[in-house]
Amino acid sequence: ETGVTQSPTHLIKTRGQQVTLRCSSQSGHNTVSWYQQALGQGPQFIFQYYREEENGRGNFPPRFSGLQFPNYSSELNVNALELDDSALYLCASSFDRGGGYTFGSGTRLTVV
Amino acid sequence: GDSVTQMEGPVTLSEEAFLTINCTYTATGYPSLFWYVQYPGEGLQLLLKATKADDKGSNKGFEATYRKETTSFHLEKGSVQVSDSAVYFCALSDDNQGGKLIFGQGTELSVKP
Repeated sequence: ETGVTQSPTHLIKTRGQQVTLRCSSQSGHNTVSWYQQALGQGPQFIFQYYREEENGRGNFPPRFSGLQFPNYSSELNVNALELDDSALYLCASSFDRGGGYTFGSGTRLTVV
Repeated sequence: GDSVTQMEGPVTLSEEAFLTINCTYTATGYPSLFWYVQYPGEGLQLLLKATKADDKGSNKGFEATYRKETTSFHLEKGSVQVSDSAVYFCALSDDNQGGKLIFGQGTELSVKP
């Protein structure tokens, strides 16, 4: 069985631009969560999707949005990028909410 | 709201030394508790977990016991190896909050030969 894969692995964007990050869930998992990990910090919950519906959101502004597709893959979109958005973005999938999460290796986003 | 507090790092140990990384939590419900490990340049890997009071999670020589009376979930290993060098995160998941993971700030461990 494959794990969670994220793309791209690294990305550099300019302030004000928009970015889309992608995640393929582990086979059989129907729940996906996104986390932002700033340098030297623990991951912070952005939002979670369960069967294509948003199922919880952390303290992030509306310019952070997401989608989950019928095959349970997911996207994280960030509009109007700010310098503070520079971070490692982690995707995690599980079978049902609150289950054991499998994390991807992350996308390192740098905003300049 | 729910939160997790870990001892600050970095922690530097010699190979074969005993490891303890302290973790305490605050939660309104009855959370599950986790330890994740992050090696340089990688994502998070689940190290161990415990889902109810007095449960002991264990994996690869690491152990942690869910102590409800002290709201703690300290990570221990009897003899560390250089390959254990990584950042360790304590986390909780509360069904009352949709099962999202709440992480501590992480503790960097460096093991010297």
